[in-house]
Amino acid sequence: DAGVTQSPTHLIKTRGQQVTLRCSPKSGHDTVSWYQQALGQGPQFIFQYYEEEERQRGNFPDRFSGHQFPNYSSELNVNALLLGDSALYLCASSLALAAGRYGYTFGSGTRLTVV
Amino acid sequence: AQKITQTQPGMFVQEKEAVTLDCTYDTSDQSYGLFWYKQPSSGEMIFLIYQGSYDEQNATEGRYSLNFQKARKSANLVISASQLGDSAMYFCAMRENYGGSQGNLIFGKGTKLSVKP
Repeated sequence: DAGVTQSPTHLIKTRGQQVTLRCSPKSGHDTVSWYQQALGQGPQFIFQYYEEEERQRGNFPDRFSGHQFPNYSSELNVNALLLGDSALYLCASSLALAAGRYGYTFGSGTRLTVV
Repeated sequence: AQKITQTQPGMFVQEKEAVTLDCTYDTSDQSYGLFWYKQPSSGEMIFLIYQGSYDEQNATEGRYSLNFQKARKSANLVISASQLGDSAMYFCAMRENYGGSQGNLIFGKGTKLSVKP
């Protein structure tokens, strides 16, 4: 049973460019959340998608957008990249109505470097 | 606002000894969940243990136990019989509620644990 799959694993982009990160959730999960983890920090919530709609959003600018497809996979798009966007981007999948500990399965992340 | 505080940036422990990683939290919700995750250098967040705010017993999962003191708003992780493979970053996190279903996680800054042979 595959866990959460993220691609690519590493990415180098130039300031001002746009980037798309991809996430395939764990089998049976219907909700995808994205987190940004800067070096030496804990992950910060970006947004969550459920039923192909953004359901919750953290304190991130509109340059960060996303999409969820009918098969529950998701993309994170970042426009007009800044040096400060360099981070590990983690995808977590879950089942919307699940309670307790069986909530979140994380992928290994995409490490984005903006130069 | 909800917040997680981990005051130990780094900890050292001798192999086979026990270690406690501290976590305090702040929330006005009555219903919440507390998690501990391990993050090795590969980057993946590995679930270790969960404590619900209404759980009367402290959670245990193998060598991991959670010392939950609700009045003090603390949720410390205890790792017994440390192993070299336990060396990693450890994050405490709290789940916000969102209409009864899964809310997002709020993480602390983490503690880097190093196990010495």
